[in-house]
Amino acid sequence: GAGVSQTPSNKVTEKGKYVELRCDPISGHTALYWYRQSLGQGPEFLIYFQGTGAADDSGLPNDRFFAVRPEGSVSTLKIQRTERGDSAVYLCASSLGPQGETQYFGPGTRLLVL
Amino acid sequence: AQSVTQLDSQVPVFEEAPVELRCNYSSSVSVYLFWYVQYPNQGLQLLLKYLSGSTLVESINGFEAEFNKSQTSFHLRKPSVHISDTAEYFCAVRPPHNTDKLIFGTGTRLQVFP
Repeated sequence: GAGVSQTPSNKVTEKGKYVELRCDPISGHTALYWYRQSLGQGPEFLIYFQGTGAADDSGLPNDRFFAVRPEGSVSTLKIQRTERGDSAVYLCASSLGPQGETQYFGPGTRLLVL
Repeated sequence: AQSVTQLDSQVPVFEEAPVELRCNYSSSVSVYLFWYVQYPNQGLQLLLKYLSGSTLVESINGFEAEFNKSQTSFHLRKPSVHISDTAEYFCAVRPPHNTDKLIFGTGTRLQVFP
């Protein structure tokens, strides 16, 4: 079946602009995660959704970052007033939910803030 | 809080040689352990995982990892590597019984030379 998909694959924006990154999880997966991977680092957790609600948003770096999952499937990560330090690969993952041990990752969105 | 240490940022090795990628974790509770692989220009893929039971787990492409509770380690090994194993390898932990965030190490770049 189809895996996790993310769009766009690449995004170049200017400092101060607003961006939206989209994630389509595997069908039937109720848990969805966002991670950020900076160059030379491992992925760092941002936010976790169980269904429509954010169960854990402790990884969001500041209030410029926000994510939604209004229907419990597709999720959008929103970044306001982008800064150069936001440049990274943003990864989305999904799992079956409370009984799912394995997170399946999408290919990521590479964000470059100029 | 959990943390993961991958001491080797890069491991160069010749084809058909054995390799070990080290992973140590710290946690006050039991954890699930994972190895993910990231091939050039691709997303993270699950390589193998330890949830419970036998401490030795294997992947379909010849890698294995052994959970050592006393040493809090989960080292990844392969007796004979191929050029195609060149990739970034990430060790990760997560507490069981809870669909929660993965904590990743900083990764080890395995470079296989002919």
